[in-house]
Amino acid sequence: EVQLLESGGGLVQPGGSLRLSCAASVFTLSNYAMSWVRQAPGKGLEWVSSICGSTAHTYCADSVKGRFTISRDNSKNTLYLQMNGLRAEDTAVYYCARGEGSLVEATSFDYWGQGTLVTVSS
Amino acid sequence: QSVLTQPPSVSAAPGPRVTLSCSGSSSNIGNNPVNWYQQVPGKSPKLLIYHDDLKPSGVSDRFSGSKSGTSASLAISGLQSEDEADYYCAAWDDSLSGWVFGGGTKLSVL
Repeated sequence: EVQLLESGGGLVQPGGSLRLSCAASVFTLSNYAMSWVRQAPGKGLEWVSSICGSTAHTYCADSVKGRFTISRDNSKNTLYLQMNGLRAEDTAVYYCARGEGSLVEATSFDYWGQGTLVTVSS
Repeated sequence: QSVLTQPPSVSAAPGPRVTLSCSGSSSNIGNNPVNWYQQVPGKSPKLLIYHDDLKPSGVSDRFSGSKSGTSASLAISGLQSEDEADYYCAAWDDSLSGWVFGGGTKLSVL
């Protein structure tokens, strides 16, 4: 069964950095579009960033552009989200999600991880 | 303020069919497929409907999706207490070059 296991969340001060990881099992991560979606406490879902499967082209929400970077390590079958310049409004559960296809813009998120909580506070 | 508009809450008694709406624009729903996700409190979201009206294997036939112009709908027939959850619509937005979600609809089964 497809599994996505996020890690790396925690408490960080404003302006700090964190790197989230998402280890994929059963499937080859580079064959699929992969995304990060977050959910602030008591709020709805917000797309953060995506990477295409075949081309590795990346997309990023305006709210995190210039601060967050999505990447993957094919040898480790792992997706990452490097988060710099963290702000209080970045506090959320961050989910890793697989696209059912390779192209980010033509897919849906068919598998989700359990999420990892990022808290930005002094 | 979400790019896609969903009613914040819907309440219904068990049994009847209920329809959840999602309104967008020509840059998202009007030009791209719509996906629906179900999120039970405390759990990760689950794909319910993709490409407007397709169901992943394992999703009950009681769920169906449709789209017309810049609006989409999720219908749930034979409403059951286990359907109580938050429901989100999502679509790719060509203008933003990113995914947009609705604010979510909290479905309560009375």
